Amino acid sequence: GESVGLHLPTLSVQEGDNSIINCAYSNSASDYFIWYKQESGKGPQFIIDIRSNMDKRQGQRVTVLLNKTVKHLSLQIAATQPGDSAVYFCASLYDRGSTLGRLYFGRGTQLTVWP
Amino acid sequence: NAGVTQTPKFRVLKTGQSMTLLCAQDMNHEYMYWYRQDPGMGLRLIHYSVGEGTTAKGEVPDGYNVSRLKKQNFLLGLESAAPSQTSVYFCASSQKQTPDTFGSGTRLTVV
Repeated sequence: GESVGLHLPTLSVQEGDNSIINCAYSNSASDYFIWYKQESGKGPQFIIDIRSNMDKRQGQRVTVLLNKTVKHLSLQIAATQPGDSAVYFCASLYDRGSTLGRLYFGRGTQLTVWP
Repeated sequence: NAGVTQTPKFRVLKTGQSMTLLCAQDMNHEYMYWYRQDPGMGLRLIHYSVGEGTTAKGEVPDGYNVSRLKKQNFLLGLESAAPSQTSVYFCASSQKQTPDTFGSGTRLTVV
């Protein structure tokens, strides 16, 4: 199986600072990882993904880093804005050989951005 | 472009009652999913579908049934609701193995 966990349930940052949200996974066979953002009262929103053959992937103001050696990934948000306040989930995909594979979600980190 | 639409948004059921949660997507996605979200836990997959007319069990399927008679709709049924099914339910769709677009959720309370 797989377990996915975030290092901190909450994170507070000042507007304009960079944010780093960390996540650990347990199964070395997991080969695809996703970060989702969930604002209060809304469904999760896909942010960025990364495959296990990559170490880093960049999007708009976001970067995901993958360290397969220690089974750790992180989401970096540059110049954090109030609109970034949300719960962030990481998810790992295991067993891609089956029809769907198993997508394991972490419990989430609440990011709060204060002025 | 509505994306994924879930109805109803809120519902209170008595133990033993039945109901159907509706999910519709307008993106022509093949994959559709039903998740539940409980406090302190990650999203858990209830059932999913890889195309019209197909359904399959996810991680926590007991007490739920689903149907996908049309490509754009994915229905989640509770035949006899139990308090343990109190949760927030999310439908999602995608063109690949993992969910891309989620609905805004249905908050269900079973008393």
